[in-house]
Amino acid sequence: QKEVEQNSGPLSVPEGAIASLNCTYSDRVSQSFFWYRQYSGKSPELIMSIYSNGDKEDGRFTAQLNKASQYVSLLIRDSQPSDSATYLCAVNWGFGNEKLTFGTGTRLTIIP
Amino acid sequence: EAQVTQNPRYLITVTGKKLTVTCSQNMNHEYMSWYRQDPGLGLRQIYYSMNVEVTDKGDVPEGYKVSRKEKRNFPLILESPSPNQTSLYFCASGGQGANEKLFFGSGTQLSVL
Repeated sequence: QKEVEQNSGPLSVPEGAIASLNCTYSDRVSQSFFWYRQYSGKSPELIMSIYSNGDKEDGRFTAQLNKASQYVSLLIRDSQPSDSATYLCAVNWGFGNEKLTFGTGTRLTIIP
Repeated sequence: EAQVTQNPRYLITVTGKKLTVTCSQNMNHEYMSWYRQDPGLGLRQIYYSMNVEVTDKGDVPEGYKVSRKEKRNFPLILESPSPNQTSLYFCASGGQGANEKLFFGSGTQLSVL
C-alpha cells in the first residue's frame, strides 16, 4: 500500500517565525504533490501544488520537493495566528492512477 | 458561485438502515471523489470517478457504493451501515483528475448507532 507520512504534531511556532512542515511518501515514481490546509470543523483547501523537484513559492508559502529522497515540505514564513490549522500532505501516484492519498496531517499552532 | 454541495450536513442513523449522502458540483468537473476522515487516520479515499459511468475503488471501499449517472452528481450509498462507518465524510471534485486542485464539500458527519 502506498503511504504518505507526516508528523502529527502539534507543532508550535511563535508568530513571525518560519513554520516547517514535512511529509514523506513511499513510491518513488509519484507525480503530483499537494499541501491542503484544514481549519477545525472545516473542509480542506489547497495551499500549494508542486510537480517537479525544487522550490515553488507563493506569497508566504514555499513548497519544496525532493523526489530522490521522497519528501515534500512546506515552509510558512512570517507565521500568523491565522495560519493555525492542520496541514495535510497529499500525493497522486500518477501514471493513470487517479488515487489521491493524504497523510494524517500536522497540527500547527502559531503562538502570538 | 463555484461549489461542491453535500447533503445532509449531519446524519444519525441506526445499524442496517440504508442511507445516501448526496454530492453535487457546478464546475463541470470530470473528477469526483469521496473521503472519510477519522481522528488519527486522516483522509482516506473511498471511491472516485473520472467521468460518467466510470468509478473506481479507493483505499477503503468496503461497505460503500457509488454511482455516477450524471457528471454533476456523485452520491455515496451505505446499504447496510455499521457503527465503524461513523465518520466525517467529504466529497471532492477536480478538473481532470487527481493531479489537479480538488474542491471539497463542507462535509457530512455521520453517526451510526
